[in-house]
Amino acid sequence: QLQLHESGPRLVRPSETLSLTCAVSGGSLGSRSYYWGWIRQPPGKGLEWLGDINYGGNTDYNPSLISRLTLSVDTSKNHFSLTLRSVTGADTAVYYCARRRVMTNSGSWFDPWGQGTLVTVSS
Amino acid sequence: EVVMTQSPSTLSVSPGERVTLSCRASQTLDFNLAWYQQKPGQPPRLLIYSTSTRATGVPARFSGRGSGTEFTLTISSLQPEDFGVYHCQQYGSWPPWTFGQGTKVEI
Repeated sequence: QLQLHESGPRLVRPSETLSLTCAVSGGSLGSRSYYWGWIRQPPGKGLEWLGDINYGGNTDYNPSLISRLTLSVDTSKNHFSLTLRSVTGADTAVYYCARRRVMTNSGSWFDPWGQGTLVTVSS
Repeated sequence: EVVMTQSPSTLSVSPGERVTLSCRASQTLDFNLAWYQQKPGQPPRLLIYSTSTRATGVPARFSGRGSGTEFTLTISSLQPEDFGVYHCQQYGSWPPWTFGQGTKVEI
């Protein structure tokens, strides 16, 4: 059964860089059938898609974050990563990684999800 | 960007009741809509995709309908374990993939 697990610092200072890694177990990141995504949820608020990456490193980003966000993938370690630059308090959220199926003529849903990690931006 | 609007924001119900949650899109999505259930401290769990297909292991009391811009999730007979927040997500128009703000179901 595929499992995803987020890891990284829980506290980041304003204006610095937030970096998270999602480790994949029970399956391979190298599959051509899936994208690997990041979604976040500020405390008490809704979900926001950040971006996706595939096994080959092809990325899609939320236009609202494209200037600050970089996704990368390491298939040898079976993990993918997120880097968000110049963070502010508005970036405080639970960050989830999730898998998304490749579809021919549309996007797709996210399943499964990691447990999520709360990242707080504060001095 | 497609804006997803869920209603109501909160629903207080009793076990055994039939519950219908709504999700409206600002642009047509065909059938490209998913529903998730989220309990406190847990990640979202996929319930429904392609508007009406139940994910593996999802009880038959959950059903989805709709097309275009109007979608619903129905729980035919609410069980105590069904409390939580329900999110809809569109994947018919990109970028970006977008979610509704959620409907909280209180038992």
